[in-house]
Amino acid sequence: GAVVSQHPSWVICKSGTSVKIECRSLDFQATTMFWYRQFPKQSLMLMATSNEGSKATYEQGVEKDKFLINHASLTLSTLTVTSAHPEDSSFYICSARDLGASGMNTEAFFGQGTRLTVV
Amino acid sequence: AQSVAQPEDQVNVAEGNPLTVKCTYSVSGNPYLFWYVQYPNRGLQFLLKYITGDNLVKGSYGFEAEFNKSQTSFHLKKPSALVSDSALYFCAVRERNSGNTPLVFGKGTRLSVIA
Repeated sequence: GAVVSQHPSWVICKSGTSVKIECRSLDFQATTMFWYRQFPKQSLMLMATSNEGSKATYEQGVEKDKFLINHASLTLSTLTVTSAHPEDSSFYICSARDLGASGMNTEAFFGQGTRLTVV
Repeated sequence: AQSVAQPEDQVNVAEGNPLTVKCTYSVSGNPYLFWYVQYPNRGLQFLLKYITGDNLVKGSYGFEAEFNKSQTSFHLKKPSALVSDSALYFCAVRERNSGNTPLVFGKGTRLSVIA
């Protein structure tokens, strides 16, 4: 299946600094990517929908100024956690669908996830 | 609104026994249904999907799931569990003809296969 690569796999940062997470579709073009956040022993919470060449769409309750999303190309979306605080520590996962394969009914593919720890 | 229910937080099964992980869904139209597996500190891996056609869907690693429209269910099954199947399993739904919209996930079920 299609491959979505996420980097870094884990990161530790100091409180108040910013962290950038990259999500790449390696063998297909993704006009849309999705960013999720997962708390321990919980399901995935959709944070935002990243649209190539336009502004991201954020879910209710997600601060767009804190979680900056940039989707500058058809294969790369980035999530920047700005002025990170310990409560931002979480597992962040991106996903995308290869619409060129079978259209809208294809499954979503997920990156490996990024474990963010803010100290 | 779409939703997925996975009524069991945890399922324990002995190795070699059949396993079932339950999932029910709610959509206003016809669904696309998916199962994913997650290992610790990893992203989600696709197992199988129901799009249309045969209600019994076979997927990776010997897993299968049966779409039951009348019961709005899509339970995941495997005839003989392996210890390596121990992981977190997510059921997901997306409404057909909803465009490039994200999947809606259940809360997950942790499967523990005991040797």
